[in-house]
Amino acid sequence: SAVISQKPSRDICQRGTSLTIQCQVDSQVTMMFWYRQQPGQSLTLIATANQGSEATYESGFVIDKFPISRPNLTFSTLTVSNMSPEDSSIYLCSVAEGTNTEAFFGQGTRLTVV
Amino acid sequence: DQQVKQNSPSLSVQEGRISILNCDYTNSMFDYFLWYKKYPAEGPTFLISISSIKDKNEDGRFTVFLNKSAKHLSLHIVPSQPGDSAVYFCAASAAYGGSQGNLIFGKGTKLSVKP
Repeated sequence: SAVISQKPSRDICQRGTSLTIQCQVDSQVTMMFWYRQQPGQSLTLIATANQGSEATYESGFVIDKFPISRPNLTFSTLTVSNMSPEDSSIYLCSVAEGTNTEAFFGQGTRLTVV
Repeated sequence: DQQVKQNSPSLSVQEGRISILNCDYTNSMFDYFLWYKKYPAEGPTFLISISSIKDKNEDGRFTVFLNKSAKHLSLHIVPSQPGDSAVYFCAASAAYGGSQGNLIFGKGTKLSVKP
């Protein structure tokens, strides 16, 4: 299984600012995903980030709010822009080798917006 | 509308007994199902999966059962151990359609195994 490192593990940010979350994988992977887990809720997919193409966003998520970079097969970033308290969540990076295979997760970034 | 439902937010079981966690889904396109375990302050850890061509998959103490006609799957843990205490997420994906490879998660069931 891939080892995934996310930074930062947690942060407290002022509203109106932006935070970039980094995801580093110890091996090359095809598919990378960014999820959000709001308090008491399930994990919700924000976007799929495959190297060499634009990120694909799920309904309710837009690039201006959550820009994503995927410069190579081992790294990705998610930026949470112009933050509000409603963005307080755990953000998780996930990787998979292909469709219908198990996905592996980073430890998550706990974001609190004040 | 939730496509993957875990209707029991919590479950308490005595050590050594069987834990049964349930999951229902609505999307008939789902053809791959997974269970994840999550401890506080950690990311979800993959536990076991099952393809829709099977109705059972077993790995040590963990067995997943799939009933496609009922759109229902369950995770059995036997015997349960205190270290199994965690939140368990059911997830599903479809090889075809608009969400290839994307996992749809349930809200999770918090399992407490008492010594």
